[in-house]
Amino acid sequence: DVKVTQSSRYLVKRTGEKVFLECVQDMDHENMFWYRQDPGLGLRLIYFSYDVKMKEKGDIPEGYSVSREKKERFSLILESASTNQTSMYLCASSLVGLAGYEQYFGPGTRLTVT
Amino acid sequence: ELKVEQNPLFLSMQEGKNYTIYCNYSTTSDRLYWYRQDPGKSLESLFVLLSNGAVKQEGRLMASLDTKARLSTLHITAAVHDLSATYFCAVEGDDKIIFGKGTRLHILP
Repeated sequence: DVKVTQSSRYLVKRTGEKVFLECVQDMDHENMFWYRQDPGLGLRLIYFSYDVKMKEKGDIPEGYSVSREKKERFSLILESASTNQTSMYLCASSLVGLAGYEQYFGPGTRLTVT
Repeated sequence: ELKVEQNPLFLSMQEGKNYTIYCNYSTTSDRLYWYRQDPGKSLESLFVLLSNGAVKQEGRLMASLDTKARLSTLHITAAVHDLSATYFCAVEGDDKIIFGKGTRLHILP
């Protein structure tokens, strides 16, 4: 089974802090994604990466950056956390190919910024 | 710009009844995915639909894709309480995958 793990299930940070969210997948997937999920807004893509050291902006990249130094690990960085970044953050990974881009999700990190 | 609309967004139904969730999308695509999310949990893949006319079934759930109508349906047959969850469709297009807002399904015992 594909396993996607995230470093924390719950996180509480203060406004202005730098926050790192880590995601690791064990199936050698090329693609990795970061989403945030908010009530009534569904899932919104923050960033994705299709290869090591490659990244692409999603729909809401402002206030975030990412890092992918190794294929299995994709980090989301909040440079200076703000209260409007309180949310559930979901990491996902997928293969690349004719079989489509079925995504496998991690358990999520619920981040609260106070 | 690719837009994905699900309806209904909330559905409360009795056990034993049948119902359909609809996923409409705005641009050409022949790849569509359905996911399930239980409260407080992450998303789990249900179905991958990769061509026009594709139909997949698992238990009481059946998903289909009509690329000409830009429509996918998720049909629930004889609903049971265990199917209570939020269901998302996701469409691949414009080099990205866009999720619908989800349909929160509540099945009354």
